[in-house]
Amino acid sequence: GQQLNQSPQSMFIQEGEDVSMNCTSSSIFNTWLWYKQDPGEGPVLLIALYKAGELTSNGRLTAQFGITRKDSFLNISASIPSDVGIYFCAGPGGFISNFGNEKLTFGTGTRLTIIP
Amino acid sequence: NAGVTQTPKFRVLKTGQSMTLLCAQDMNHEYMYWYRQDPGMGLRLIHYSVGEGTTAKGEVPDGYNVSRLKKQNFLLGLESAAPSQTSVYFCASSYLTGQGGYEQYFGPGTRLTVT
Repeated sequence: GQQLNQSPQSMFIQEGEDVSMNCTSSSIFNTWLWYKQDPGEGPVLLIALYKAGELTSNGRLTAQFGITRKDSFLNISASIPSDVGIYFCAGPGGFISNFGNEKLTFGTGTRLTIIP
Repeated sequence: NAGVTQTPKFRVLKTGQSMTLLCAQDMNHEYMYWYRQDPGMGLRLIHYSVGEGTTAKGEVPDGYNVSRLKKQNFLLGLESAAPSQTSVYFCASSYLTGQGGYEQYFGPGTRLTVT
């Protein structure tokens, strides 16, 4: 099945830098979710967005629900070592005909690495 | 709350063997899901359940069966394991939020190797 397009695929940054990543879809979504996965662990929900244009923060993380409802953005300010991991966006339903809103389609992930 | 738990954490099977993965959640969520995660493929839905006693196929259901006899448990079975089923398996549960969307919460995963 198809997935959401996330970019960039990977990022190499220095501690203290700000990070931006985005997710795009060919379909309109009514919810956007952002998850983080640490190595060897399951994805953890960071932020949920429910309204076009909505801007929501969780500590140093800020996510936005795009006005077109076909994209979403995640920013991390002043990165620290524990920010390392893979960040996934997700939206309800998706591109498979029997997918209702109770199921999620996931992005391909953005892998964040912090260079010492 | 323990959230979503999975057992076992690791397992190695020989081709043709069978096994059951157990998922439990203590959040009283109606919906539960089984995913597999492979390198470069992201998370793909295997089966899901919208309530006790119900199950439905996801994106990649072949070779797997599921059961949801109790609301808090969701079992994933492999009847005859194949090397292509080597993967990391995640269970998740969700509920309908007040804003009309579903937020899924994941377990820690089971790493399965089939030789």
